Amino acid sequence: NAGVTQTPKFRILKIGQSMTLQCTQDMNHNYMYWYRQDPGMGLKLIYYSVGAGITDKGEVPNGYNVSRSTTEDFPLRLELAAPSQTSVYFCASGHTQYFGPGTRLLVL
Amino acid sequence: ILNVEQSPQSLHVQEGDSTNFTCSFPSSNFYALHWYRWETAKSPEALFVMTLNGDEKKKGRISATLNTKEGYSYLYIKGSQPEDSATYLCAPANAGGTSYGKLTFGQGTILTVHP
Repeated sequence: NAGVTQTPKFRILKIGQSMTLQCTQDMNHNYMYWYRQDPGMGLKLIYYSVGAGITDKGEVPNGYNVSRSTTEDFPLRLELAAPSQTSVYFCASGHTQYFGPGTRLLVL
Repeated sequence: ILNVEQSPQSLHVQEGDSTNFTCSFPSSNFYALHWYRWETAKSPEALFVMTLNGDEKKKGRISATLNTKEGYSYLYIKGSQPEDSATYLCAPANAGGTSYGKLTFGQGTILTVHP
């Protein structure tokens, strides 16, 4: 089992650009999550999904979109990147929440 | 959004010391309490999931207790080693609908164990 994988590992975006952060899990988990980690702020939940076709907002959803067309994949979309979205993004799956390795995003 | 507090914010101990830290959370509508260990430049790693009042879990030198009535959990590390240096996060989940899968993370306790 690869567990939870995330791509890319690191990305630099210009303000206003868009991108999709990919997250895939091979553990057949229904629950999947996206978090962002900001220095001194801990982990904040962006969006989560309880199963294919179902998504819900977390604590900080503004500026992001998600979709869940399959059990395995839960991509996170940034439509108009802003400097405030500079962060490390973690995807997790399962009730126990197994975390992926993270994507470091820098918006300049 | 749950109000989760962890104390202390940071802790420095010597190798061999035993230590403990606290997680406080709202006791109403409680479903589960998760503890994670997060090493620098890595991802959070699950330590324990606790659901019952009075629960006690153990993994090697690390153990945790849970009091759901008063809304707190303690994490204990016996005989700390430098490799225990990490941020320890707690995250409660509420009952109801899909909320039980939705965790609110505390800010964490940063533990540094000096050789």
